[in-house]
Amino acid sequence: AQSVAQPEDQVNVAEGNPLTVKCTYSVSGNPYLFWYVQYPNRGLQFLLKYITGDNLVKGSYGFEAEFNKSQTSFHLKKPSALVSDSALYFCAVRFLFSGGYNKLIFGAGTRLAVHP
Amino acid sequence: NAGVTQTPKFQVLKTGQSMTLQCAQDMNHNSMYWYRQDPGMGLRLIYYSASEGTTDKGEVPNGYNVSRLNKREFSLRLESAAPSQTSVYFCASSERGNSYEQYFGPGTRLTVT
Repeated sequence: AQSVAQPEDQVNVAEGNPLTVKCTYSVSGNPYLFWYVQYPNRGLQFLLKYITGDNLVKGSYGFEAEFNKSQTSFHLKKPSALVSDSALYFCAVRFLFSGGYNKLIFGAGTRLAVHP
Repeated sequence: NAGVTQTPKFQVLKTGQSMTLQCAQDMNHNSMYWYRQDPGMGLRLIYYSASEGTTDKGEVPNGYNVSRLNKREFSLRLESAAPSQTSVYFCASSERGNSYEQYFGPGTRLTVT
C-alpha cells in the first residue's frame, strides 16, 4: 500500500542556515512525489513535484527536493532559510487509479520554524 | 480566476445538526476532492470525484455524503454532526493527466459541540 512518512513533527533552523525536511515513501511502481506548504489559516500550496528525470527537483520560493530511490526518500531542502519560510510542510505520494485519475496520500506534516 | 472557493469559512454546529459545505472551482478540472485535516494526522481523504457524475469513498467516509452537482461544484454533507467531525475541511481539484498537482481551497473550520 502507498504511504508517506515524515519522521519529524517540527524542524527548527536559524535564518540563513540550510534546512532539510525529511520524507520517506512506500509505493508500488514508480513514485510520483509532491511537496506542499501550508501557511497559517490557509489552504495547501503546491511547491514542487518529482515525476521522472533529474533526481534534484527545483520548485517555488527557492525550495528543492532530492529524490533517492535506494533510500525511498524525497527530502525537501533550501540552502538559506528565511523567517517567512516558517509553515507546515506536507509530503505526498500519488495513487493512480483506473482511467488516469489520481489521488494523493499525505504525510502527517512537519512544522518548520525559522528563527531570526 | 478565483481558483477553488469554499463556503462557509467557519461553522459551529450542535451534535445532531446537519449542514452542507460548498466547494467550487473555475479551472475546468475534472477531479475534485474533500479532505479533513486534524493535528498530527495530515490530510485524510473523505470522498473524491474523479469526473462529473462519479463519486467514490476515500479513507474516512463514514458520517459524510457528497454530491458532484456539475463539473464546477462538489459539496460535502454532514447529515448528523458528531464532535468527532470537528476539523478543518479542505476541498481540492486537479486535472486528469500528467500534472497531478491538486489545488486547494482556503478551508472550512467546523466545530461540533
